[in-house]
Amino acid sequence: GDSVTQMEGPVTLSEEAFLTINCTYTATGYPSLFWYVQYPGEGLQLLLKATKADDKGSNKGFEATYRKETTSFHLEKGSVQVSDSAVYFCALRSTGANNLFFGTGTRLTVIP
Amino acid sequence: GAVVSQHPSRVICKSGTSVKIECRSLDFQATTMFWYRQFPKQSLMLMATSNEGSKATYEQGVEKDKFLINHASLTLSTLTVTSAHPEDSSFYICSAFSGTSGHIYFGPGTRLLVL
Repeated sequence: GDSVTQMEGPVTLSEEAFLTINCTYTATGYPSLFWYVQYPGEGLQLLLKATKADDKGSNKGFEATYRKETTSFHLEKGSVQVSDSAVYFCALRSTGANNLFFGTGTRLTVIP
Repeated sequence: GAVVSQHPSRVICKSGTSVKIECRSLDFQATTMFWYRQFPKQSLMLMATSNEGSKATYEQGVEKDKFLINHASLTLSTLTVTSAHPEDSSFYICSAFSGTSGHIYFGPGTRLLVL
């Protein structure tokens, strides 16, 4: 079945450090891929997405590229800020489906 | 952007009682809503898919008689945890699918503690 494997956390970085959170997936067909962010006390928010191979999703300085050959969708940001501290979830949505499969989430803490 | 609300945000109840959690789409109609359960330091696990006006589809291993889902309107779905036990304590999250935008929006979650 479809699944998402996400880098375990927690991850602690200093402000302005480079961030990578790994995500790989298993799916039949051509799923859409997502990164969601959950700030403390809030619901999940869509951060970025990609719907086909080689697409790059980007938002708020975060980027992720849909790599079909490696079945990956790693999240990156060149310079993190304290306000980026949150839990990040990788997710996929299978072709023709409405529901999402989530990774386990990675807690990021950015210290000044 | 589209907003999904959940009520209550936090609830504490005694073992054996039932608890109802509401999920509302505030500015769009949601033909499909999803209920998830999130354990500490774990992922969101899909419990059931709720379509307006029809019976919910439950994921394998989820007891439909224990977790009653009703999707009576295009803006409201409810999850009732019946005869709650301490092991039902968890964070319950709903999401709603907007056919207009094609996006899924999440509620802020409800933390349930059963004593």
